[in-house]
Amino acid sequence: DQQVKQNSPSLSVQEGRISILNCDYTNSMFDYFLWYKKYPAEGPTFLISISSIKDKNEDGRFTVFLNKSAKHLSLHIVPSQPGDSAVYFCAASGHTSYGKLTFGQGTILTVHP
Amino acid sequence: DTGVSQNPRHKITKRGQNVTFRCDPISEHNRLYWYRQTLGQGPEFLTYFQNEAQLEKSRLLSDRFSAERPKGSFSTLEIQRTEQGDSAMYLCASSLGTGGPQETQYFGPGTRLLVL
Repeated sequence: DQQVKQNSPSLSVQEGRISILNCDYTNSMFDYFLWYKKYPAEGPTFLISISSIKDKNEDGRFTVFLNKSAKHLSLHIVPSQPGDSAVYFCAASGHTSYGKLTFGQGTILTVHP
Repeated sequence: DTGVSQNPRHKITKRGQNVTFRCDPISEHNRLYWYRQTLGQGPEFLTYFQNEAQLEKSRLLSDRFSAERPKGSFSTLEIQRTEQGDSAMYLCASSLGTGGPQETQYFGPGTRLLVL
């Protein structure tokens, strides 16, 4: 039972354009959502998070949007840079599962110069 | 460097051998987590500690797996009688542990295990 899904295995964008990565979840108990970036042979690096009491959170070039009714979140990267090329994971946790993050399968982002 | 550290970074072992991994969390963090990641998948939760207490274990954590955090600082994850299916990246993460469930977890570089 995949409770967090990233349906796009890969995404390719031009440098300077917007990258939009999507994530869907099924568990209505999730109330905290995070995005991580992962380079090969490294652990995931935290990017940005959002609580279910908000619908948007912004940090520099990164913005996360949450649509609770659709159980959908997205990560926008503007402008995209070649150094953003990595695997992006969304993750979720809920108040009934203290500490346990449930991850999606990941989306490989490639930003072309 | 004050991030999460894991040792060893790589481990190759033969089926049936025991292996032990170590994780050192960020110094002021009370919560410590273990995850496993296989190729093409996201990390999967294994277990977590609040200080020295192991508070939750996934059903993925079979009897051959044991994790400890004896003094509430570093943690070890031991796999006994390794199987080829245990080959994966084992990730450790930590968080402050002073708030509710909405805490950001910071990950270490992982230990890549290959069972031959």
